[in-house]
Amino acid sequence: DGGITQSPKYLFRKEGQNVTLSCEQNLNHDAMYWYRQDPGQGLRLIYYSQIVNDFQKGDIAEGYSVSREKKESFPLTVTSAQKNPTAFYLCASSRCWTEACFGQGTRLTVV
Amino acid sequence: EDQVTQSPEALRLQEGESSSLNCSYTVSGLRGLFWYRQDPGKGPEFLFTLYSAGEEKEKERLKATLTKKESFLHITAPKPEDSATYLCAVPVSTSGTYKYIFGTGTRLKVLA
Repeated sequence: DGGITQSPKYLFRKEGQNVTLSCEQNLNHDAMYWYRQDPGQGLRLIYYSQIVNDFQKGDIAEGYSVSREKKESFPLTVTSAQKNPTAFYLCASSRCWTEACFGQGTRLTVV
Repeated sequence: EDQVTQSPEALRLQEGESSSLNCSYTVSGLRGLFWYRQDPGKGPEFLFTLYSAGEEKEKERLKATLTKKESFLHITAPKPEDSATYLCAVPVSTSGTYKYIFGTGTRLKVLA
């Protein structure tokens, strides 16, 4: 079955530590996205990518980094510069101008 | 500025009590409006795409409609299992690429 896989489902980060969230899709979609969702909030765009080896900052990119070395993969690194990383992270992919398909999310908690 | 606004923020209904959720948008050249359902702790699930004013889509107890300024998600005779957050989104063009702008959602609670 085609879809988007995010891992891990739960992730704990210590202060000052970088962590990487995985996102893989087998839908053959060109575009991929990372969103952050805080309790009771909407989705805020962190980074997005339309093609391999290219990506753009979203509305809240500070403290995050991404790479797009393969069409299927779009990992997100939450760096120590992100002061409030506790949130629910969602990865999505899409074909041009069609609906975005979402993974099941990664819940990141700072301990 | 491209913007999507949803109302109300939260809605409590009795089972069987029909209502509507609103999604108003301000974008240059609408290229689709998407509705999603999100259950707690899960990723949004796609429901509908609407492309032009006057268009309607239906799925079970849900019907989505579109005008030139807003979209409505009508819920007819809801059941407790319809409880979820409903999100709307529009794609927008930016510097040769495109991205999706989401509303903040409506949290729907249907009481038995």
